[in-house]
Amino acid sequence: GAGVSQSPRYKVAKRGQDVALRCDPISGHVSLFWYQQALGQGPEFLTYFQNEAQLDKSGLPSDRFFAERPEGSVSTLKIQRTQQEDSAVYLCASSPGTSRETQYFGPGTRLLVL
Amino acid sequence: GENVEQHPSTLSVQEGDSAVIKCTYSDSASNYFPWYKQELGKRPQLIIDIRSNVGEKKDQRIAVTLNKTAKHFSLHITETQPEDSAVYFCAASILTGGGNKLTFGTGTQLKVEL
Repeated sequence: GAGVSQSPRYKVAKRGQDVALRCDPISGHVSLFWYQQALGQGPEFLTYFQNEAQLDKSGLPSDRFFAERPEGSVSTLKIQRTQQEDSAVYLCASSPGTSRETQYFGPGTRLLVL
Repeated sequence: GENVEQHPSTLSVQEGDSAVIKCTYSDSASNYFPWYKQELGKRPQLIIDIRSNVGEKKDQRIAVTLNKTAKHFSLHITETQPEDSAVYFCAASILTGGGNKLTFGTGTQLKVEL
């Protein structure tokens, strides 16, 4: 079946612009995670959704970052007033339930802020 | 919070040799340890995982060992092949009913030379 998809795959933004990154999880997956991967580093946790509820947003680096999953399926990560340090790959992952541990990752969105 | 350290950062082996990557974690409550393989520009893909109630798990040429007392776990790849060349990430997590955010190591660039 279809895996996790993300769009756009690449995004170039001027500093100060707002961006929206989309994640389509595997159909029926309850859990959805966002991670940020800087160049040459491992992914770092940003936020977690269980269905439409955002249960953990402890990894969001500032109040410029906002995520939502209003209908419990597609999720959007929004970054306001982008800064150069926001340049990274943003990965989305989903898993079937709340206790099933395997996370399936999307291909990521590579964001470059100039 | 959890902290995961990974060594080495780069590893070069001859085809057919074995490769070992080691990780340590800080939070004794962590009970789930996946390993992901990430090729350049691609999504992280789960290759093997282990839960804290077992000390070793094997899947064909890949094995993972866990020492809970010492809080370290290792990935072993035998009979390496050129297609094993990639970046490998270890991760640690606490499985709960509210999702299991992953804390990743910094990655190991494995190069298998002919």
